[in-house]
Amino acid sequence: SAVISQKPSRDICQRGTSLTIQCQVDSQVTMMFWYRQQPGQSLTLIATANQGSEATYESGFVIDKFPISRPNLTFSTLTVSNMSPEDSSIYLCSVEEYGYTFGSGTRLTVV
Amino acid sequence: QQQVKQSPQSLIVQKGGISIINCAYENTAFDYFPWYQQFPGKGPALLIAIRPDVSEKKEGRFTISFNKSAKQFSLHIMDSQPGDSATYFCAARTQWEGNEKLTFGTGTRLTIIP
Repeated sequence: SAVISQKPSRDICQRGTSLTIQCQVDSQVTMMFWYRQQPGQSLTLIATANQGSEATYESGFVIDKFPISRPNLTFSTLTVSNMSPEDSSIYLCSVEEYGYTFGSGTRLTVV
Repeated sequence: QQQVKQSPQSLIVQKGGISIINCAYENTAFDYFPWYQQFPGKGPALLIAIRPDVSEKKEGRFTISFNKSAKQFSLHIMDSQPGDSATYFCAARTQWEGNEKLTFGTGTRLTIIP
C-alpha cells in the first residue's frame, strides 16, 4: 500500500493565522482525501482532491476556510485559514491504493 | 442514511479473550467495509476489509462477520493481547459518478487487561 508523509506532524498556532499542511505520497494516485479528527472523536471527511480539478467539499466545509491544492498526482496541501480554537484537531490525508491508507496526521492546536 | 453506528463506545477484555465490536448501517449503496486500528498520536491503520458479497473474512486473529440482510458487520479479535489496546473504527464506502467517500463509525476504545 501507499506510504504517506504528512508535514508538519504538529503545530501550535495563534488564532487568526493560517497553517498549510502538506501530504506527499510515494506513488501516483488519482484521489487524495482530507479528514478532520477532533479530540477523542471519529474521522470526518473535509474534501476530496483530484489532480487538475477543484476539490469537492463535504457539507459544513468551505473552500475559503480549507483551501486545497493538488498540483500533481503525488502531492496535496490543505490550508486551515483564519484559525480559531475550534479548529484544534488532527488533520489527516488519505489515499486509496489497495485499501484506504492514512498519513500519521497533523495535530493542530490553536491558541 | 449516511451514518454508520458503532458499539460499544469502550470495551475491556481480558488477555486471551475475544473482543467483539459491532457496526450497523442503513445505506444499501455502501459497497466496501474496512476496519481501522488507531493508536494515540498515529493515523488509522487498515486492519481488514470486506465486500458485501462475502459473509466472513479472516486474517490472522482478526475476523469480519458481515450480515447483509441485517445491515450489520462486526470485528472479532481472537486471543486478544495487550498490544491490541487501541481505538477501532469501522467504516463504509459509497461510490458515485467518479467520486467515493468513507463514512466512519464513532469508534471503540479497546483495552486488553492482563
